[in-house]
Amino acid sequence: DAGITQSPRHKVTETGTPVTLRCHQTENHRYMYWYRQDPGHGLRLIHYSYGVKDTDKGEVSDGYSVSRSKTEDFLLTLESATSSQTSVYFCAISGWTGGANVLTFGAGSRLTVL
Amino acid sequence: DAKTTQPPSMDCAEGRAANLPCNHSTISGNEYVYWYRQIHSQGPQYIIHGLKNNETNEMASLIITEDRKSSTLILPHATLRDTAVYYCIVRVDGSNYKLTFGKGTLLTVNP
Repeated sequence: DAGITQSPRHKVTETGTPVTLRCHQTENHRYMYWYRQDPGHGLRLIHYSYGVKDTDKGEVSDGYSVSRSKTEDFLLTLESATSSQTSVYFCAISGWTGGANVLTFGAGSRLTVL
Repeated sequence: DAKTTQPPSMDCAEGRAANLPCNHSTISGNEYVYWYRQIHSQGPQYIIHGLKNNETNEMASLIITEDRKSSTLILPHATLRDTAVYYCIVRVDGSNYKLTFGKGTLLTVNP
């Protein structure tokens, strides 16, 4: 997706290992978000950021931490991955486009925890 | 932000109009209605938004009832590529905090 990239796109890891997902934007938007998506649950907000070093929790933040040391990067860390964190993770940025405050999503990162 | 209610699934024949409803009975005066869709395994994509008036763009039309308690997204000539999950969200414009998505409506366009 233009202006927002996620890495890695796919990752397989073992229970108990740390994992960091990266979201990079080139739009200079202030707001960034991490969501997870699981069958039957739709998109659920994990954490979001409203500026450099300014972050807050979403509805499913337990087991996750985030950091934003510069405008373009928003990192999601699983300190000790568990099988319940197997999911597809989407990053999003929020900005004004044509009079609308629009969320633009990345392509997703598929994480499998064995 | 106000809560929305959408049917879990709908079917539509290819070439026909798809009308996707959304109830947002607790919407407040400064909340906009936004629609997104998510094609299988991709990130959600913005479609359209509106406050009071009906809106149309190259992708769809949005009809908002006069009392603003419900809206309908219209895809005038659905194609197989419109098969996706459609999300209706209401939010205060400029409010970027804790944006939440429900489960949306899975629209299946049949040949």
